[in-house]
This record gives sequence, structure tokens and C-alpha cells, in this order.
Amino acid sequence: DAGVIQSPRHEVTEMGQEVTLRCKPISGHDYLFWYRQTMMRGLELLIYFNNNVPIDDSGMPEDRFSAKMPNASFSTLKIQPSEPRDSAVYFCASRGLAATDTQYFGPGTRLTVL
Amino acid sequence: AQSVTQLGSHVSVSEGALVLLRCNYSSSVPPYLFWYVQYPNQGLQLLLKYTTGATLVKGINGFEAEFKKSETSFHLTKPSAHMSDAAEYFCAVSLNAGKSTFGDGTTLTVKP
Repeated sequence: DAGVIQSPRHEVTEMGQEVTLRCKPISGHDYLFWYRQTMMRGLELLIYFNNNVPIDDSGMPEDRFSAKMPNASFSTLKIQPSEPRDSAVYFCASRGLAATDTQYFGPGTRLTVL
Repeated sequence: AQSVTQLGSHVSVSEGALVLLRCNYSSSVPPYLFWYVQYPNQGLQLLLKYTTGATLVKGINGFEAEFKKSETSFHLTKPSAHMSDAAEYFCAVSLNAGKSTFGDGTTLTVKP
């Protein structure tokens, strides 16, 4: 398996623009997680899905952030409009059904909002 | 509720010295415990995990961790540090089929 795939790897945009981050989880995994990592705040869980259904979005910082999982092999995280404080590395991770299963992380998308 | 505390956001050791990264957890039920490592410009990857059974768990790259229920700890050790061990290390706890809770991370620096 190719692992968790994220695109783009780097994104530079201007304040006010819409940003869409994409994730393809490992085939057969039941859970998908979106995280944000910054120096100031560390690793934060934004939202996670089980079988394509959002379970907990309490970590989504504002209404400017939204996430979807239209099918088992694709998820998006959208920021509209983007702000400089959204600059961070965004990770997608997927996992099997059991709590003992390992989370597999993608390589991340480094977002810079100017 | 579950939580994880990693003592020491930065640890520095000399090459060849013992590595000890501390993790304490809080959980009302027996937890599943994980250590992940993040190398620069990469995602997190699993080092080792404790689920049930033997409390001393061995992982990749010579790391091991011991689950101590009485101390609510899951410290990570390696007898001899290598330059390639320089990275950020995260302890995580998982109780049920849902999200895991990650610690704040410990950055390990290895001096030549």
C-alpha cells in the first residue's frame, strides 16, 4: 500500500483565498483524522470520521474550516477564507477499527497564508 | 476522560548515552499506549505500542517502553543514543474505538 496520501505537499496562498487540502487514506481503514501542527500549539486534532461520517469536529477552530469525506477513499479539509494564523502543517491520518490499531500519518501539507 | 503528560519538552543527550523520555497517562480504564516518532518534515510513525500482555514492549530502532500501571507511566528508553534518533517523540493513549489523545511531544537532541 502507498500509505496515506496528501496533496498538495506545499501550499502558499494569500489571505482571503480558499484553500482545499486533500487526503486519500489507506484502503480498508475505518477512521480518518485531520490534525494541525504549529510550533505554538503543537499537534491538534481538528476532526475525525468513522466510515465517512464526522464523529467529532470540536477541534475545528472556526466556521471558516470545514471537512468532508464523500467516500471511503477521499477526504478534504477546506479553509474559506484563509488567514495568516492558519499557517501550519496539516496532517491526515487513518486507522483501522480497533483502538489498538496504529494511526498511519500522511506526509502533511505545509500551508503558508500571506 | 484520558490525558497524557510528557515531562520535558526538550531532552538532550550525548551520542551513546541512555535515552529516557517520560510519559504519564490518566485513564479511568486500562489504556492502550503508543509512542510515535516524527522526523523533520515528515508525518508521525509508530515506534511501539502496548495493548495487553507483556508490560515491556520493544519497538523499532532499539527503543523499548515499560507499562507501569501503579505509576501510570509508559516511559520510552534506548540504551545508546544515535545521531539518527534526533526527532520529536509523542506519547499517545487510546481507550476505545475513537480518537487517541497525544502528548505535547518531546524533542530529542543528540550531541556528537
